[in-house]
Amino acid sequence: EPEVTQTPSHQVTQMGQEVILRCVPISNHLYFYWYRQILGQKVEFLVSFYNNEISEKSEIFDDQFSVERPDGSNFTLKIRSTKLEDSAMYFCASSVGGGSGYGYTFGSGTRLTVV
Amino acid sequence: AQKVTQAQTEISVVEKEDVTLDCVYETRDTTYYLFWYKQPPSGELVFLIRRNSFDEQNEISGRYSWNFQKSTSSFNFTITASQVVDSAVYFCALSGGNAGNMLTFGGGTRLMVKP
Repeated sequence: EPEVTQTPSHQVTQMGQEVILRCVPISNHLYFYWYRQILGQKVEFLVSFYNNEISEKSEIFDDQFSVERPDGSNFTLKIRSTKLEDSAMYFCASSVGGGSGYGYTFGSGTRLTVV
Repeated sequence: AQKVTQAQTEISVVEKEDVTLDCVYETRDTTYYLFWYKQPPSGELVFLIRRNSFDEQNEISGRYSWNFQKSTSSFNFTITASQVVDSAVYFCALSGGNAGNMLTFGGGTRLMVKP
């Protein structure tokens, strides 16, 4: 079964450093998403991406964050200057369509630890 | 705005007991989708079910069953004859309407099944 692949599975970074989280969505999916889960809390929407641009973003997704599809397969989330509160599990997801009836496939997540 | 409430933060049962996880949602949309995800200790999000707002039929899949009641805005999840492997955090989620394919998650219920 096709899956969404995220790398790395765990990343430790120093406060103030830039990090790039990588995702390979399912090949025929057109919509891509990032979600965040702070330890012990609920999963929160960050951003959705379609046709090489952001289609929606939450208030969490401030100027520190950016997303990119640098080639035909990867989808990345960049955090420019990490803060301690950015420590969380970050999930990438993709879907065939953008309507609410389309199911997601989530990746297994990247656990980001900012020290 | 959409909202999902899982009032039970933690439930503990003994193996073979039945357990019901509650989910109450709020939305002004007439077309929406409800989901349940399982998050085992390894951290990934495992899709369990998707139900659209026009289909109020209850669903059974093995030991899992779901009770969707529009009148009370609830989408409850029952595990019959629970097993230790069911121990996980379970999230209810909602998408639809103006939120498009963005998922709004509940706070999750941690289920502990003891042998």
